[in-house]
Amino acid sequence: EPEVTQTPSHQVTQMGQEVILRCVPISNHLYFYWYRQILGQKVEFLVSFYNNEISEKSEIFDDQFSVERPDGSNFTLKIRSTKLEDSAMYFCASGQGQGPQHFGDGTRLSIL
Amino acid sequence: GENVEQHPSTLSVQEGDSAVIKCTYSDSASNYFPWYKQELGKRPQLIIDIRSNVGEKKDQRIAVTLNKTAKHFSLHITETQPEDSAVYFCAATYNNNDMRFGAGTRLTVKP
Repeated sequence: EPEVTQTPSHQVTQMGQEVILRCVPISNHLYFYWYRQILGQKVEFLVSFYNNEISEKSEIFDDQFSVERPDGSNFTLKIRSTKLEDSAMYFCASGQGQGPQHFGDGTRLSIL
Repeated sequence: GENVEQHPSTLSVQEGDSAVIKCTYSDSASNYFPWYKQELGKRPQLIIDIRSNVGEKKDQRIAVTLNKTAKHFSLHITETQPEDSAVYFCAATYNNNDMRFGAGTRLTVKP
């Protein structure tokens, strides 16, 4: 069964540094998403992406965040200047719209 | 925007008993309601979903009911087993495709 894959599984970064989290969505999916889950808390929506542009973003997704689909397979989340409070699990998901979203295994981001 | 409320936050049942988790949503335009199970340190996994044109859906020991008028939906797990222990999240679509999650219910099934 096709899966969403995310790399790296764990990223440790100094505060103020830039990080790029990578995702390969399921190949025939057209909608891509990033979510954040702070330890022990709920899954929070960050951004959705369709047809090479952001279709929706939450209040969490401020100017330090950006997403990109640099080629036909990868979908990346960039955090420009990381803060301590960015420490969380980041999940990528993909779907075909109006239906199930399939999640990757996540990237645990630790900001020191 | 969409707001999803989930109750209870924790639920402990004896093996073999039933478990019920309830969610309410605010956006009357929401039309897709999935339930995810998340084990510790793992990804959320879709276990069942329901669309707004259906009132109930069942898959073996798991069922979901939807009341669109009242804007609430529920997950029912019968004959619970220890491996059902996990955090369960409800979600509702918002703005066509975007999902908002409930706060989660930590289910513990005691053997």
